[in-house]
Amino acid sequence: AQKITQTQPGMFVQEKEAVTLDCTYDTSDPSYGLFWYKQPSSGEMIFLIYQGSYDQQNATEGRYSLNFQKARKSANLVISASQLGDSAMYFCAMRLETSYDKVIFGPGTSLSVIP
Amino acid sequence: DVKVTQSSRYLVKRTGEKVFLECVQDMDHENMFWYRQDPGLGLRLIYFSYDVKMKEKGDIPEGYSVSREKKERFSLILESASTNQTSMYLCASSLFGGTYGYTFGSGTRLTVV
Repeated sequence: AQKITQTQPGMFVQEKEAVTLDCTYDTSDPSYGLFWYKQPSSGEMIFLIYQGSYDQQNATEGRYSLNFQKARKSANLVISASQLGDSAMYFCAMRLETSYDKVIFGPGTSLSVIP
Repeated sequence: DVKVTQSSRYLVKRTGEKVFLECVQDMDHENMFWYRQDPGLGLRLIYFSYDVKMKEKGDIPEGYSVSREKKERFSLILESASTNQTSMYLCASSLFGGTYGYTFGSGTRLTVV
């Protein structure tokens, strides 16, 4: 079965510290993509970062990096130098490229940044 | 500025009503999706479409249907609304194989009373 697991319902981090949000996935598809989205209290979904299953290097976008461990089927998001504006829900998602690009999401992690 | 537009931000309907949620994108994307979002459950895929008149069931299609007569428009239909369909509904679109992810609409908060 194809599934995304995020085991941390809620997390706290001190401002300016780094934080890791966990994501594990399960799929038998050989080709897939992994995404992270941010959803602030306003409700909009904001794309953060993408990692392809065949990419050799971990993806980075500014303060966001994706720690991709294919053998472990994990795709953790690392946010460096946390800011108050990083407080939001974070969703890990997986695109199944052999299923018409169907995307499934995890349950999300609520991150709170403390001043 | 590229956009996915959902016709209503808030909607209140009565049990048994037929409800239409409309979604329009202006990016010429092939793929369009409907999700519902509930606390603790994340986003669950209801239906998606990879081409005009083509549709695929997602993980929770029961009680819903969809229509895609034109590339830019993807409609979600609740044939007979029930209270357990009270939720936030999110529409999204994407290019096939794109690496930047979805573009989401702003969501429709549907309450069925």
